[in-house]
Amino acid sequence: AQSVAQPEDQVNVAEGNPLTVKCTYSVSGNPYLFWYVQYPNRGLQFLLKYITGDNLVKGSYGFEAEFNKSQTSFHLKKPSALVSDSALYFCAVRDPYSGAGSYQLTFGKGTKLSVIP
Amino acid sequence: SQTIHQWPATLVQPVGSPLSLECTVEGTSNPNLYWYRQAAGRGLQLLFYSVGIGQISSEVPQNLSASRPQDRQFILSSKKLLLSDSGFYLCAWIWDGEQFFGPGTRLTVL
Repeated sequence: AQSVAQPEDQVNVAEGNPLTVKCTYSVSGNPYLFWYVQYPNRGLQFLLKYITGDNLVKGSYGFEAEFNKSQTSFHLKKPSALVSDSALYFCAVRDPYSGAGSYQLTFGKGTKLSVIP
Repeated sequence: SQTIHQWPATLVQPVGSPLSLECTVEGTSNPNLYWYRQAAGRGLQLLFYSVGIGQISSEVPQNLSASRPQDRQFILSSKKLLLSDSGFYLCAWIWDGEQFFGPGTRLTVL
């Protein structure tokens, strides 16, 4: 069974500093990995995904994520945090061999990012 | 372009009352559709998914049911709501291998 762990419930970072939101995964085959962001009382917004290719994936709003197969990690990063980046961030994984055409994603519990002015 | 709608945006219901939440998708045909519940503003729990009209798969046994009467319509229902049904309900669909989410429905059961 596939699983995702986001070890930090909350991450605090000063505005202008680099930020990292951690994610590790477990899946039987090569994973499809995703990051989503959620603002209060809103649906989830897609940020970026890793399917194959370059380990460094660039996404929306200046975010990027690095896929590390040996460490089974997919950490979200941004070189310079903005106050507007404050939100709830979810990592998700899909096992491409899960079959049944369901395209089910397994989500982590989420990490609350607070960017302090 | 493809868009996903959820109705209503917020709902307050008494315990024991029925429930019907609607999700509709525009700009695509035969999408895979999903219902998630998010409790206390954190993790998402997959409730149901559907790969076509009349096809529903349940992920978690519970007080809820789902139906897909039309290609682009996905409905979440309950005959009698429980306090534990409170939460933020999200509908999602698949396009190009990615899940896209609707704006959500905030359900409060009193």
